[in-house]
Amino acid sequence: SAVISQKPSRDICQRGTSLTIQCQVDSQVTMMFWYRQQPGQSLTLIATANQGSEATYESGFVIDKFPISRPNLTFSTLTVSNMSPEDSSIYLCSVRTGSGEKLFFGSGTQLSVL
Amino acid sequence: GESVGLHLPTLSVQEGDNSIINCAYSNSASDYFIWYKQESGKGPQFIIDIRSNMDKRQGQRVTVLLNKTVKHLSLQIAATQPGDSAVYFCAENPPNTGFQKLVFGTGTRLLVSP
Repeated sequence: SAVISQKPSRDICQRGTSLTIQCQVDSQVTMMFWYRQQPGQSLTLIATANQGSEATYESGFVIDKFPISRPNLTFSTLTVSNMSPEDSSIYLCSVRTGSGEKLFFGSGTQLSVL
Repeated sequence: GESVGLHLPTLSVQEGDNSIINCAYSNSASDYFIWYKQESGKGPQFIIDIRSNMDKRQGQRVTVLLNKTVKHLSLQIAATQPGDSAVYFCAENPPNTGFQKLVFGTGTRLLVSP
């Protein structure tokens, strides 16, 4: 497994502002992903964070709204841009280690937009 | 599209009972399945997984059963404890995604009464 640290753990933001969420892993990982969990709902994949290249976004998510960086094999950021109340969710970093199938999650960032 | 759903959104049991959480998946070609446990304020925690070439797998107090004929997955928790109270998600790995994408179900809340 891997120890995944995410920060901030929670934040309350004003409409129109942006928030950058950080994800730090204690070991090098092959794959890093960002998920969104809207209130009372399941997890939806936003994008795959690729080291050294642009992230791969899922349908319904775009780079302008959710820019992602992954400068190395242990760190990634997700920015939620120009926020609106509809962006209020839990944002989760997840990783896959080695060649295993298991996906491990950070503790998430609880975002509330007023 | 692909979807994974759960029959019961909330399951209430008494401490010491056995719990069974069910999940239906739609893609008959999915080759890998996982169960996660999510406690309030935390990220999903891996419980147990199973490949499509198996129909049963046991862990500590948990068993996952896979019925490919009816595309059904279940998680059995033996001697349920109050600490098992959480939301449980099943997830499937659709074919031809190289384990890079998991589709999550809607979740079942398990409430364990002392």
